[in-house]
This record gives sequence, C-alpha cells and structure tokens, in this order.
Amino acid sequence: DADVTQTPRNRITKTGKRIMLECSQTKGHDRMYWYRQDPGLGLRLIYYSFDVKDINKGEISDGYSVSRQAQAKFSLSLESAIPNQTALYFCATNRAGEGYTFGSGTRLTVV
Amino acid sequence: GENVEQHPSTLSVQEGDSAVIKCTYSDSASNYFPWYKQELGKRPQLIIDIRSNVGEKKDQRIAVTLNKTAKHFSLHITETQPEDSAVYFCAASTGNQFYFGTGTSLTVIP
Repeated sequence: DADVTQTPRNRITKTGKRIMLECSQTKGHDRMYWYRQDPGLGLRLIYYSFDVKDINKGEISDGYSVSRQAQAKFSLSLESAIPNQTALYFCATNRAGEGYTFGSGTRLTVV
Repeated sequence: GENVEQHPSTLSVQEGDSAVIKCTYSDSASNYFPWYKQELGKRPQLIIDIRSNVGEKKDQRIAVTLNKTAKHFSLHITETQPEDSAVYFCAASTGNQFYFGTGTSLTVIP
C-alpha cells in the first residue's frame, strides 16, 4: 500500500548534536510537511514544501532546516539539538485541497 | 494567520452515549475542515472532512457540521464504543497550510 515512512522511529541524541529525520512517501503527492507534536499544544508546522524547488517556513521553523531531495523525500534537520526540541515529529503529505496522510512518527529525545 | 480553538480538551462518556467536540476558526478564507483521530502511540488518521460549501456530512456513526457565519464546526460521534477512545484533532485550511486545534482526549467508559 502507498504510505508515508519516517526514519528513525525513535532517537535519543545529545544537546548540540546535529540530527536528521527522514521522510519518504509512495503516495505520489506533491506536498510534504513537517510537524511537531507536544502534549497540550497539538500539531505545529515547522516547514512545508509544495514542490521539489519550493521550501516554506512554518510557525516554528527556528532551529530547524529542511531539504526536499526529490518529490518523494523530505528531510528535517536539527542543526544543534536542544532539550526543548524533544517531541514527536510527524511528516505529512497531500495533494492540494485534500487531507493529510501522516507518517509513522519519530520520537526524538534530546538529553 | 489562522487560529483554531478546540473544546473540550478532555471528554469522558459512557459507552452508547454521544460525544461532541467543537472547534472555532478565525480566517474566513478557510474552506476545508478535516478531523483526525490519533490512537495511543499511532499516527493521526483522517476520519471525516467537510468543505465550506456543505453544512453537514455523515459517515456511519460520525458526522461533522459547519457554521460558516459563526466560524465553527463540530464533530459528532453517536453510539460511542470503547474503540472510539483516542485523541481527536480538528483542522482548518485555506488550501495551503493546515492549522490544527490542540486536541480532545475522548474516553469511552464501558
């Protein structure tokens, strides 16, 4: 079945380290997104991309960067991880005007 | 930008009763309103959605209503079952970004 896959599923990293979260999809969707989920805060948008050459900041992009390597791949990097970036991260994809398909999630802990 | 508020944050109902979750939005240009269900440890899954040209939509035991004038929309679950226990998120979109509510944790008590 067409799906959205995230790697790794879980990661523990130290403060100051650079870390990359990866997302790949076989849905054939053009649009890809990165969200973080924190208890009580819901899902907040970090970055989004509507095309391979299109990158846009979301509401909480500070401390993060992204790369859209191909239509099917969208990676999120934390340049220098800090403890308040500990969260559950979701990738999502869609076509214009349609609902999201979310990836399986990456639980990141920064110690 | 858009601001989506969701209430209540927690909701407990007896099995068989109905559950209602309400969301308000601020941007009158929003025209697509999906609802997601997230079970513990899993990804959010789309369960129902409604567009601004429709006032109500039903799918078996779940329904969504939209009041564009008041800028609010609601999820209704009838005949609740224990497997309905989850966190539910509403969202609003103008066609580009989606803005999410903060979630409602629904517990169905057997």
